[in-house]
Amino acid sequence: SQQGEEDPQALSIQEGENATMNCSYKTSINNLQWYRQNSGRGLVHLILIRSNEREKHSGRLRVTLDTSKKSSSLLITASRAADTASYFCATESGGTSYGKLTFGQGTILTVHP
Amino acid sequence: DSGVTQTPKHLITATGQRVTLRCSPRSGDLSVYWYQQSLDQGLQFLIQYYNGEERAKGNILERFSAQQFPDLHSELNLSSLELGDSALYFCASIREGNTEAFFGQGTRLTVV
Repeated sequence: SQQGEEDPQALSIQEGENATMNCSYKTSINNLQWYRQNSGRGLVHLILIRSNEREKHSGRLRVTLDTSKKSSSLLITASRAADTASYFCATESGGTSYGKLTFGQGTILTVHP
Repeated sequence: DSGVTQTPKHLITATGQRVTLRCSPRSGDLSVYWYQQSLDQGLQFLIQYYNGEERAKGNILERFSAQQFPDLHSELNLSSLELGDSALYFCASIREGNTEAFFGQGTRLTVV
C-alpha cells in the first residue's frame, strides 16, 4: 500500500515558472526522498532529507519536511522543458525496514517551452 | 547510468507462464530491492535481499519468488502469470550505510 498522497496529481506550467509538489505520509520516518521518472524509465534519486532536517537545497531543488504534519514539499525553481517527468516522494523508516522505500502516487509535471 | 542492470527490458508472455527477471546491482552493493510499478497499485516494494539472504518482504504474491546469488545478482521469478501481473518491475541497490537507492531501467512485463 502507498504511504501517502501526493498533490497535485498533475501540474502543467510554462518554462521559467516554479513547480511545487506536495507529499504526505502516514508513519514515522527515518528520511524522505524524492525521485524522478521519465516516461516509464528507471527512477533517479533527486534529494534526501532526514527526519531531523527541515529544509534542504540542491541546485534548483528545494525540499522541506514538516514531521509534525507528516508532509514534505519539493520546489523546482526556474523550470525547464527537460524537467518534464513524474516525481515521487518515498519514505524510509529505518530499523528492520532499512532501505525499503514506500512511494507516493507521484506528480506528473509538464513544463511547456 | 545508475550502474544497476536489469534484463530483459521487455517481456511478453501468456497467462499461466513463468518468467525470470534478472538484476545486477551496482558494483559493491550488497542489497537488492525489487519493486513493482502498475497503474492501479503504483510503486510497491516486493522483496529485499542482502548478501544472499532475504531481509524483508512486502506485497509479494506467493506465485512470486526471488533469490540472490553469490555473485550478488538477483532473480525474480514470476509464475502462473495473470493479466494483472503486467507491470514494470524494478530492482534497486543501496550502498552499505547509505539510503539513496539506485534503480535499474526496469523490465516491462506484458501478460497476454
